[in-house]
Amino acid sequence: QKEVEQNSGPLSVPEGAIASLNCTYSDRGSQSFFWYRQYSGKSPELIMSIYSNGDKEDGRFTAQLNKASQYVSLLIRDSQPSDSATYLCAAPGAGNNRKLIWGLGTSLAVNP
Amino acid sequence: DGGITQSPKYLFRKEGQNVTLSCEQNLNHDAMYWYRQDPGQGLRLIYYSQIVNDFQKGDIAEGYSVSREKKESFPLTVTSAQKNPTAFYLCASSIGRGGGTTQPQHFGDGTRLSIL
Repeated sequence: QKEVEQNSGPLSVPEGAIASLNCTYSDRGSQSFFWYRQYSGKSPELIMSIYSNGDKEDGRFTAQLNKASQYVSLLIRDSQPSDSATYLCAAPGAGNNRKLIWGLGTSLAVNP
Repeated sequence: DGGITQSPKYLFRKEGQNVTLSCEQNLNHDAMYWYRQDPGQGLRLIYYSQIVNDFQKGDIAEGYSVSREKKESFPLTVTSAQKNPTAFYLCASSIGRGGGTTQPQHFGDGTRLSIL
């Protein structure tokens, strides 16, 4: 059974700080990973995709993938109160069925 | 603008009633998915479809049914057999596998279903 695990939080950081969110996965063969942001009462929104080892930066967001250690992280620089949300990590499911396996999400609170 | 449209936004079901949730996409995506999310819980896959006229059960398909007669549409019926239907229902779509790699899913705004 493939798994994706995240710390549930809540993670609380002050405004302007770096928020670090972590995700581990069980399938060494996974090739793609996704971070989604979900505001309370809203649907998930894709914020980062990462397919290869190393860092990928997009604005204030950086995704880091380490396949050897089977973890993927999301760093949010200069955190803003508007970043307060639940962050979901997802990785491919087994075979060629286009499913994703979802973590339960980490709740982030950015305090003004 | 391309996107995924779910309707209605809010839906109420009476005991013994079947209700149908609509999901339409104009992204030309092959794959479509239905998830259920309960308060404070993760996403649970109900059904998914990789191509027109074909669909597979997810992890919690009991009490639900779907059809995929058109590429753009993937309606979900919550039957009276689903005894605890109150939840947030999310439809998603994906191009599936681009370049041999699983691609991300994109979500509609969701439908909140409650029991009267």
